[in-house]
Amino acid sequence: GQNIDQPTEMTATEGAIVQINCTYQTSGFNGLFWYQQHAGEAPTFLSYNVLDGLEEKGRFSSFLSRSKGYSYLLLKELQMKDSASYLCAVLDSNYQLIWGAGTKLIIKP
Amino acid sequence: GAVVSQHPSRVICKSGTSVKIECRSLDFQATTMFWYRQFPKQSLMLMATSNEGSKATYEQGVEKDKFLINHASLTLSTLTVTSAHPEDSSFYICSARVEASGGYNEQFFGPGTRLTVL
Repeated sequence: GQNIDQPTEMTATEGAIVQINCTYQTSGFNGLFWYQQHAGEAPTFLSYNVLDGLEEKGRFSSFLSRSKGYSYLLLKELQMKDSASYLCAVLDSNYQLIWGAGTKLIIKP
Repeated sequence: GAVVSQHPSRVICKSGTSVKIECRSLDFQATTMFWYRQFPKQSLMLMATSNEGSKATYEQGVEKDKFLINHASLTLSTLTVTSAHPEDSSFYICSARVEASGGYNEQFFGPGTRLTVL
């Protein structure tokens, strides 16, 4: 079966750095997405990785290792507004998005 | 980026009534739209995949006669919850897929519709 695992919840301090991990087992791979979702709102796109390596975009970076079925989202200089759920999703061989359950990130002052 | 709108954003209805939710891609054409449902503290659950001009493909466990999907044009898909019941209360989100060369398919999400059935 297809499976995406990410931690349920993480807590970090304002101004710090946090890494949210995602491991996946899917039928085929056509890229991995990270989305941010605030409570009561729809997800918003953060990043897309299809090749191995690190993609940096401002305070957010995303890393992919296809051989290990592993990705992480790195958030730097955390702000209170970064409190949200972070969803990992993989595009499988049929170009369907397979979603993780999301990681709720709690930022403390 | 591409914009997807959803209407209404919030609806409260009585049990037994039907509710229609519209999803529009505002500045692009979407051959494929997706309908998701999300219960509190849970991830998105794909309900159905909608292709313009053809019947929607429903995920296992989703009743196609209860959740009617119409993808009449490249910019509009509708989801009708027929004879809604309290257990249908949820956050319904649509997304539209942009198909680019090289197989990169990004989904853009609508803002969601909060349905409460009394």
